[in-house]
Amino acid sequence: GQQLNQSPQSMFIQEGEDVSMNCTSSSIFNTWLWYKQEPGEGPVLLIALYKAGELTSNGRLTAQFGITRKDSFLNISASIPSDVGIYFCAGQQVRGSTLGRLYFGRGTQLTVWP
Amino acid sequence: AAGVIQSPRHLIKEKRETATLKCYPIPRHDTVYWYQQGPGQDPQFLISFYEKMQSDKGSIPDRFSAQQFSDYHSELNMSSLELGDSALYFCASRARTQGYYEQYFGPGTRLTVT
Repeated sequence: GQQLNQSPQSMFIQEGEDVSMNCTSSSIFNTWLWYKQEPGEGPVLLIALYKAGELTSNGRLTAQFGITRKDSFLNISASIPSDVGIYFCAGQQVRGSTLGRLYFGRGTQLTVWP
Repeated sequence: AAGVIQSPRHLIKEKRETATLKCYPIPRHDTVYWYQQGPGQDPQFLISFYEKMQSDKGSIPDRFSAQQFSDYHSELNMSSLELGDSALYFCASRARTQGYYEQYFGPGTRLTVT
């Protein structure tokens, strides 16, 4: 299956700091999605990206779809304690036999110290 | 806004027993995806349905089967349960006919096999 490399694996930061994480793939994706998951809960969609080069914001979150369509990054500005959780990138191919299924990165565990 | 509903939230079964997990998609969403997430792992795609037909199949064991009903809810049936089936099972829904690519996840069913 497709392998997405997400880094860093974990981050420990102080409240107010900015955070950056990224995801790379050997395959091209048509859509990149970023999710946040808290313990025992389902992933919550944060941002969806549809076009190469696209830069999209959602409050303090900003994500970009790489121009090669093989990578994406997520930035969180001015982190707060409630940003704690696991952030997953997910790639999606909207054509072919694997239509629509999401391929996930391994996740970035974010810890924010007050 | 209405979200994806999954039931039950928690399920404890013994080896070789069967289990049925239910998923109710967001209203007007026509596509359902099932994912399995082991401890400390990223979600792995199992199977998907579009308009009540199986649309894609991933790493789903032959012991598992699923279907989507006329009201678009879906059920994942798991037989001959093994210890390794213990995991979080997520359902996600999507409004494919409306041209949307985003998948919205339910809260998950935590299955424990003893």
